[in-house]
Amino acid sequence: GENVEQHPSTLSVQEGDSAVIKCTYSDSASNYFPWYKQELGKRPQLIIDIRSNVGEKKDQRIAVTLNKTAKHFSLHITETQPEDSAVYFCAASNTNSGYSTLTFGKGTMLLVSP
Amino acid sequence: GAVVSQHPSWVICKSGTSVKIECRSLDFQATTMFWYRQFPKQSLMLMATSNEGSKATYEQGVEKDKFLINHASLTLSTLTVTSAHPEDSSFYICSARDGGTATNEKLFFGSGTQLSVL
Repeated sequence: GENVEQHPSTLSVQEGDSAVIKCTYSDSASNYFPWYKQELGKRPQLIIDIRSNVGEKKDQRIAVTLNKTAKHFSLHITETQPEDSAVYFCAASNTNSGYSTLTFGKGTMLLVSP
Repeated sequence: GAVVSQHPSWVICKSGTSVKIECRSLDFQATTMFWYRQFPKQSLMLMATSNEGSKATYEQGVEKDKFLINHASLTLSTLTVTSAHPEDSSFYICSARDGGTATNEKLFFGSGTQLSVL
């Protein structure tokens, strides 16, 4: 099955700095890679996703890059703000395999200090 | 985006009792729903996948007789934790895919249920 590794487990940055979270996956058939933000005690919220036919996607301060050859993808947050503090999860799935399941990374706790 | 409603949000129960958690898709038909378990400061661990009208598929290590899943309609799935024990205390969260969309990779999560077994 799919295995997703996520690094770092914790990340502390100053407000205004950039933050980068990296994930690797093992199943070359995976073709969908979402990122979720989860605040304490709340549901994960999809913040951005990328499909395997695209190398990069950007949405305002958030961008995701995908390297299919190396089987890794990264989340980039620029101009970080305190409200970006949360746990971020990457995930991977193969949407061609019937009902696809998401395999999550272990999460990165991002702390943005004012 | 689509809305998934999960109830209750918080349960405290005595050891040995059973607890039912409901997950409803409010504005779409969820042909597939997923149940996850999350321990503090840990990731989401898939417990089982339920498809409307058929038996759930459980992940390795998850006891199907312990965690009963019923997906009786396209908008409702339930997870029953039977004879709950303190080690079952956890955050349980459901998610659903909108079966009606052409690109239905996106998962929408319920708000989660914090179960505490005394």
